[in-house]
Amino acid sequence: EIVLTQSPGTLSLSPGERATLSCRASQSVSSSYLAWYQQKPGQAPRLLIYDASSRATGIPDRFSGSGSGTDFTLTISRLDPEDFAVYYCQHYGTSWCSFGQGTKLEIK
Amino acid sequence: EVQLVESGGGLVKPGGSLRLSCAASGFTFSSYTMNWVRQAPGKGLEWVSSISTSNGYMYYSDSVKGRFTISRDNARNSLFLQMNSLRAEDTAVYYCARSKGSISMIVVATVLDYWGQGTRVTVSS
Repeated sequence: EIVLTQSPGTLSLSPGERATLSCRASQSVSSSYLAWYQQKPGQAPRLLIYDASSRATGIPDRFSGSGSGTDFTLTISRLDPEDFAVYYCQHYGTSWCSFGQGTKLEIK
Repeated sequence: EVQLVESGGGLVKPGGSLRLSCAASGFTFSSYTMNWVRQAPGKGLEWVSSISTSNGYMYYSDSVKGRFTISRDNARNSLFLQMNSLRAEDTAVYYCARSKGSISMIVVATVLDYWGQGTRVTVSS
């Protein structure tokens, strides 16, 4: 089982700033099978990034993903007020599926 | 437009059973692997189960294996989750989610590109 650890637990930033969220895996993630989701209160998660760096359909280009092996990053280049939410990473594509515990992005 | 609408949640006593349904529309349901993912109150996401297009593969998390059964009816564009021997720790919002890729003998889950709004299950005496 691959355990995903996200950091920080909470990130406080202002609109217009750059956000960098981390997801570290306990073992190397094969073929960069790592996704990122955004979840707002009372809503279902929304897919942002898959295969570590591919943007999902309709996702603004201020969202980008990078990384390989055990260290992955979600970057939001300039925060929009609608970006404040909880973000989860997910490992898939093998004999196990797991999510990180989430990073809450809050307005400073 | 892809739509996934869950139903069947509610309050059930420990040891009881519940059957969740997910009605799909806006895409060719029979061509996609489908999943159930849950979220306990105030907690993160937990993958629960996945099922391939023609019921060839079905996978479960260790926490529900032997108690939950996933199934689908491609003629009715519907996904189901039969939950037996329910425990307090099964209390959660249960989401139906579509897979972007396919599962196989060695792949239990893939990227989840569309999600329903969820149905709440509460297990309590």
